[in-house]
Amino acid sequence: QVQLVESGGGLVKPGGSLRLSCTASGFTFSDYYMTWIRQAPGKGLECISYISGTSSDTNYADSVKGRFTISRDNAKNSLFLQMNSLRAEDTAVYYCARTARTPDSWGQGTLVTVSS
Amino acid sequence: DVVMTQSPLSLPVTLGQPASISCRSSQGLVYSNGNTYLNWFQQRPGQSPRRLIYTVSNRDSGVPDRFSGSGSGTDFTLKISRVEAEDVGVYYCMQATHWPWTFGQGTKVEIK
Repeated sequence: QVQLVESGGGLVKPGGSLRLSCTASGFTFSDYYMTWIRQAPGKGLECISYISGTSSDTNYADSVKGRFTISRDNAKNSLFLQMNSLRAEDTAVYYCARTARTPDSWGQGTLVTVSS
Repeated sequence: DVVMTQSPLSLPVTLGQPASISCRSSQGLVYSNGNTYLNWFQQRPGQSPRRLIYTVSNRDSGVPDRFSGSGSGTDFTLKISRVEAEDVGVYYCMQATHWPWTFGQGTKVEIK
């Protein structure tokens, strides 16, 4: 069965950096796009970035463009999100999701808190 | 960005009774390949979202047949034919036609 496990979240100061990871199993990772989606505490959902199976196609929401970078390592079945210049408004649970034109399977999420 | 507007935002329902959630998009959702990438997700308390419906009306594997999706253009609906206790949670519509993909505000379904 599809399993996605996020890690790397934590408490970081404004302006700091964090790198999230998502380890996939149960499917052929390189065949799928992957998406990062976040949910601020008590709030709705926001798609922030996606990447194609070959890494040739990526996209970002305006809210994170220029600060966040998505990448993947198909040999290690891993997805990453490098987050720089973090702001208080980036505080959220970050989910990775397998994507076959739309996100279909999600991980359990990892909490990122940006606070001084 | 495409704005997804759900109604109602809160939906108290009696067990065994039907429920319906509306979702309206600010733009049409037909992609260049003819598909309409309108999805519905369920988020139970303390859990990650789970996709129930994709491309308007296709149920995901393992989703009970009491859930159904319909609609076209800019108006879409999720129906639960008979609400069960396990259906409590927040339901989101989501469009994946135009980037950035966007979600509705969520509809909280609770038992009366």
